[in-house]
Amino acid sequence: GDSVTQMEGPVTLSEEAFLTINCTYTATGYPSLFWYVQYPGEGLQLLLKATKADDKGSNKGFEATYRKETTSFHLEKGSVQVSDSAVYFCALSRGDYKLSFGAGTTVTVRA
Amino acid sequence: DAGITQSPRYKITETGRQVTLMCHQTWSHSYMFWYRQDLGHGLRLIYYSAAADITDKGEVPDGYVVSRSKTENFPLTLESATRSQTSVYFCASSPAGDTQYFGPGTRLTVL
Repeated sequence: GDSVTQMEGPVTLSEEAFLTINCTYTATGYPSLFWYVQYPGEGLQLLLKATKADDKGSNKGFEATYRKETTSFHLEKGSVQVSDSAVYFCALSRGDYKLSFGAGTTVTVRA
Repeated sequence: DAGITQSPRYKITETGRQVTLMCHQTWSHSYMFWYRQDLGHGLRLIYYSAAADITDKGEVPDGYVVSRSKTENFPLTLESATRSQTSVYFCASSPAGDTQYFGPGTRLTVL
């Protein structure tokens, strides 16, 4: 079945550091890929998405590129802020209206 | 206010009691979903609905019941709560099943 594997956290960074969160997936066909973010005490929010190979999703300084050859969708940000502290979830959808989530990666950014 | 809301936000109950978690959305989205979030598991789909009066099981449906008599509401009932159902529950909605919009969550503790 479909599955998503994310790098384990927690990840602790200093402000202005570079952030990478690895995400790989297993799925048949051509799934859509997503990154969701969960700030403390809140529900999940869509951060970015990509629907086909080589697409790059971007939002709020975050980027991720859909790599079919490596079945990956790594999340990157060049300079993190304290406000980026959150839990980040990678997810996929095969168009059947259901999302499969990774376990989540907790990111803490220190001032 | 427009959006998706969940109630209650916090609930403590005892083993064997029936509990209903409410979800309401004002966008008239066709699709609605219930997830549970547990440490190390990310989010797992319990039930989903493609439209009023159409529901289907997700990954972990045992012990839960849903209904959807109106497009905007999607209650989740635990018929006889167990300690293993202690979790954070998220409701989500989607206009077309791809991008999902999440509520703030309900933290349920079963003693």
